Amino acid sequence: EVQLVESGGGLVQRGGSLRLSCAASGFTSSNYDMDWVRQAPGKGLEWISYISSSSRTIYYADSVKGRFTISRDNAKNSLYLQMNSLRDEDTAVYYCARDFSSRLDYWGQGTLVTVSS
Amino acid sequence: SYELTQAPSVSVAPGQTARITCGGNNIGSKSVHWYQQKPGQAPVLVVYDDSDRPSGIPERFSGSNSGNTATLTISRVEAGDEADYYCQVWDSSSDHPKGVFGGGTKLTAL
Repeated sequence: EVQLVESGGGLVQRGGSLRLSCAASGFTSSNYDMDWVRQAPGKGLEWISYISSSSRTIYYADSVKGRFTISRDNAKNSLYLQMNSLRDEDTAVYYCARDFSSRLDYWGQGTLVTVSS
Repeated sequence: SYELTQAPSVSVAPGQTARITCGGNNIGSKSVHWYQQKPGQAPVLVVYDDSDRPSGIPERFSGSNSGNTATLTISRVEAGDEADYYCQVWDSSSDHPKGVFGGGTKLTAL
């Protein structure tokens, strides 16, 4: 069974940093691209970052470029999102998702990040 | 940047057919994916590549895509279909490809 489990969310001050993790199981994660998607309270889904299976290709949404860094460790079946210079508008539930030919076919349950002023 | 437009809400009586649209410039040239999200839950892929269904998704869910509009059709709507539905594409039109979601449509079974 494919499972994605996010962790690392919490309360952080404006301007602070946080590192999210996503543990993958039930599939060979090194064969798949991965994405991070977030959802602000009461709002829609926002794609924020993509990483290819080999980590050679990485993309970011303009809203997080230069502040967030996506990475992965295939040996640990893990995906990461380093978030720096956090802003109020970064408050959201963050989901990791498996990317198969641009469709996000499996999602984690999400982890909540709250940026407090 | 590429944008996808969805109506905020759609209401339909149980047993009837719901059509949820997703508008975008020449969206017919892109692969469109649809997700269902129920309150407090993660999104679930219900249609991919315009019209294919993942295993486990009922045949009542179907999709089409042409011109500037993609459509998710839910036949014989059930109370359990009440959810937010999001369309998604991959925009490769620039040097910095991006994932793009529509704003979401809330489906209510009256």
